[in-house]
Amino acid sequence: GAGVSQSPRYKVAKRGQDVALRCDPISGHVSLFWYQQALGQGPEFLTYFQNEAQLDKSGLPSDRFFAERPEGSVSTLKIQRTQQEDSAVYLCASSPRPAGGYNEQFFGPGTRLTVL
Amino acid sequence: GENVEQHPSTLSVQEGDSAVIKCTYSDSASNYFPWYKQELGKRPQLIIDIRSNVGEKKDQRIAVTLNKTAKHFSLHITETQPEDSAVYFCAASGGGTGTASKLTFGTGTRLQVTL
Repeated sequence: GAGVSQSPRYKVAKRGQDVALRCDPISGHVSLFWYQQALGQGPEFLTYFQNEAQLDKSGLPSDRFFAERPEGSVSTLKIQRTQQEDSAVYLCASSPRPAGGYNEQFFGPGTRLTVL
Repeated sequence: GENVEQHPSTLSVQEGDSAVIKCTYSDSASNYFPWYKQELGKRPQLIIDIRSNVGEKKDQRIAVTLNKTAKHFSLHITETQPEDSAVYFCAASGGGTGTASKLTFGTGTRLQVTL
C-alpha cells in the first residue's frame, strides 16, 4: 500500500513568511509524529498525535510552530514568521499503534524548508 | 530525557567486509531500539529493530545486539555491498513519562562501502 507522503517536497520562504507543511500518514495509522532534521544530524522530535489529539508538543521549538490533525488522518505543521534557523527537513512518521511501548514508525520523504 | 550517542560518525569498509555501528542510551526505561538507513535526500527507512526482552536479532546480513545492563546496542552488517552505503541512525524509545514512543536518534554514521 501507499506509504507516508508529504507535500510540498521543497519549500523556499522569505524570512517572516508563514509556511504550512502537509503529511498524509498511512491509512489507519493511529499515531503521527513530526520530526525536524537539520543538515548532518539525526531527526529530532517535535510533536505527537494520537488520532486527532495532540498528546505531546514538548519538542516544538517556539510558539511560532503549530501542528494540527483535525480529523485524525492528515496533519499540517505550520510555522509562522519563519526564521533562518527554521531551515531543515521536516519529517512526518506514522505508526499503527498508540504511543507506549514498541511502536514501529514509518517515515515520509520529508519537506526541505529553506528560509532566505 | 533520553540521550543517544552513536559511533563512529564515519565508517569506510571494503566490499565484503563487516561493519559495526555502536550506540549507547541513557534512560534505562527505554525498551525499543530501531535502526534506520537514510540515503541522500531520501526518507529514513527502518531496517531492523530490537525490543528490550531480547538480546539479539538477525535478518539476513543485518543483526542487532542489545546489552540492557550496559545500555549499549549495536548494528552489524556482514558481507557489505556498495548499496549498503548510506547514513545509519540508531534510536531509542519507550522510556520515561509522556510520549513513550517518541524516538530519540543518534547523530548518524556515514557508511561507505568501497569496491
